[in-house]
Amino acid sequence: DQQVKQNSPSLSVQEGRISILNCDYTNSMFDYFLWYKKYPAEGPTFLISISSIKDKNEDGRFTVFLNKSAKHLSLHIVPSQPGDSAVYFCAASAGGGTSYGKLTFGQGTILTVHP
Amino acid sequence: DAGITQSPRHKVTETGTPVTLRCHQTENHRYMYWYRQDPGHGLRLIHYSYGVKDTDKGEVSDGYSVSRSKTEDFLLTLESATSSQTSVYFCAIRGEITSNYGYTFGSGTRLTVV
Repeated sequence: DQQVKQNSPSLSVQEGRISILNCDYTNSMFDYFLWYKKYPAEGPTFLISISSIKDKNEDGRFTVFLNKSAKHLSLHIVPSQPGDSAVYFCAASAGGGTSYGKLTFGQGTILTVHP
Repeated sequence: DAGITQSPRHKVTETGTPVTLRCHQTENHRYMYWYRQDPGHGLRLIHYSYGVKDTDKGEVSDGYSVSRSKTEDFLLTLESATSSQTSVYFCAIRGEITSNYGYTFGSGTRLTVV
């Protein structure tokens, strides 16, 4: 049972335009959400996160939006650059001391930014 | 980043043989995790550790065991490798829960079971 879903396996955008990556979750106990970026032959790297008490978090060109009622979050990249081409994973944590920081990941979305 | 290293980076092994993957950290972090990455499944948690000798199962733990005898090392063992365990394995570390929630991942081990 996939608790975190990224329904778009791939996304292609033009350089300078906006990239929007989407993620849905089913577990209402999730209270912290993260996005990771992964280049080939490397481990994923942390990109941006958001707590469930917020609905938006920005960091430079990256903004994450959280819609708790819809159990949906999205990552916006503006403007997109060719160096952003990578696999993006959405992840969620149920929080609390007994969770031990475990993250549940989505399937990933391959973003390709064309020059 | 030298904070976390995985070894080996690549391994080809035969079905039925035991395999051990090593994760080593220099950050003195309490929490360590093993994930596998497969197409269509993303990253799935195999086992995790919340301290020396404290480990527990993740969602895809069948066929795997782990050990953590020192803070810095977290070993993943495939007792008898099967072709379904062909995958890319990632180790991750993180500090205390109250700090940055982000993991730091190793560079991965590509394991092929033939």
